[in-house]
Amino acid sequence: ETGVTQSPTHLIKTRGQQVTLRCSSQSGHNTVSWYQQALGQGPQFIFQYYREEENGRGNFPPRFSGLQFPNYSSELNVNALELDDSALYLCASSTGQESGTIYFGEGSWLTVV
Amino acid sequence: GESVGLHLPTLSVQEGDNSIINCAYSNSASDYFIWYKQESGKGPQFIIDIRSNMDKRQGQRVTVLLNKTVKHLSLQIAATQPGDSAVYFCAENISSGGGADGLTFGKGTHLIIQP
Repeated sequence: ETGVTQSPTHLIKTRGQQVTLRCSSQSGHNTVSWYQQALGQGPQFIFQYYREEENGRGNFPPRFSGLQFPNYSSELNVNALELDDSALYLCASSTGQESGTIYFGEGSWLTVV
Repeated sequence: GESVGLHLPTLSVQEGDNSIINCAYSNSASDYFIWYKQESGKGPQFIIDIRSNMDKRQGQRVTVLLNKTVKHLSLQIAATQPGDSAVYFCAENISSGGGADGLTFGKGTHLIIQP
């Protein structure tokens, strides 16, 4: 167990809808990052939050947004869902320090129909 | 293109044999490398990591080798067991600044254990 929990585990949405995914980071971890993993591919970095501020972002459009709360839990929001957004969404947490190991949750499976 | 890639999509080994999974990276600024194991339907599980000031690191039944000259990373698994069947990803990061650029993953190698 990594101590990183995500919800929901599975969900189905319709194209054009909005979705919110949630993540609780491991105790003591103040840095949370989100990844998208399409079937058969490696995870792709979406963005990272450190102490409630986004401090890094991958090549994803603005309709992918996030939040980090004072308890370091986090949300990933995706607006105007497209069919290609169907993927496993992974949350990872770390201490944000150079020596900090990055641990992943089990992910949220999103299907857009 | 992707900064990190793997040489083989599938690797089949006999139970009890040693496995070697290879990875090439292209970003010379990367200074932190991680191997993850991902079983079907689950999130990536941390196996072992190595920083650029080292060329070898050992864990329990696993060894990671880093060759910065040719930008190559490998994961060696000793005495492979059925539970080792999974997809293995290498990932790279620039750790300064808290690694805010995120991890860059390759496509993965599917390790299959033959009885």
